[in-house]
Amino acid sequence: SYELTQPLSVSVALGQTATITCGGDNIGRKNVQWYQQKPGQAPSLVVYKTYNRPSGIPERFSGSTSGNTATLTISRTQAGDEADYYCQVWDSSTVFGGGTKLTV
Amino acid sequence: QVQLEQSGAEVKKPGASVIVSCRASGYPFTNYYIHWVRQAPGQGLEWMGRINPNNGARNYAQTFEGRVTLTRDTAIHTVYMELTNLRSDDTAVYYCARVVIALDDCDVWGQGTMVTVSS
Repeated sequence: SYELTQPLSVSVALGQTATITCGGDNIGRKNVQWYQQKPGQAPSLVVYKTYNRPSGIPERFSGSTSGNTATLTISRTQAGDEADYYCQVWDSSTVFGGGTKLTV
Repeated sequence: QVQLEQSGAEVKKPGASVIVSCRASGYPFTNYYIHWVRQAPGQGLEWMGRINPNNGARNYAQTFEGRVTLTRDTAIHTVYMELTNLRSDDTAVYYCARVVIALDDCDVWGQGTMVTVSS
């Protein structure tokens, strides 16, 4: 079965750029989604189809892929960006990465 | 507005079954899959399955095959998730989420339903 690998945690200084990776076999050929989840809340979509932002998501959030790695980049990181982030693809079933805790 | 409203928290004994409902409003019910995702305390997201409300077609994660059943009632725009033979490690928050048919992203989520399995 398909697997997605994320780092357990990423730390970033306020105002700097955070990079969260998601590794998977040939992930560059798949649509990748990223979700943000704050404590006690349901996940919310921040990037879909690898590069696209839903309405209301700031341009500071961007997605990319290269080879076997997808990346969520958060520029000018704010305190409110502190959350868990999950990547997700469809490969005969929905697959989630294990999640990355972003600390600002 | 677009909304998925889930039923309330449940407490069940091991071996019992639970049914969680997810009522959709504010959009064409049959144009979107409903997916179910669960999250055990302190853990990540785990996909359980999906249903196409248009024709009732279902896909289940292998982990849950044989224990989970998704059904829908198109008249009241509601999807049901039944999980049988509950164990303590089924204690989790269960979410429904919608996905445009033919796409992959869960763009609207329910508020979550806490299911506690305890003797």
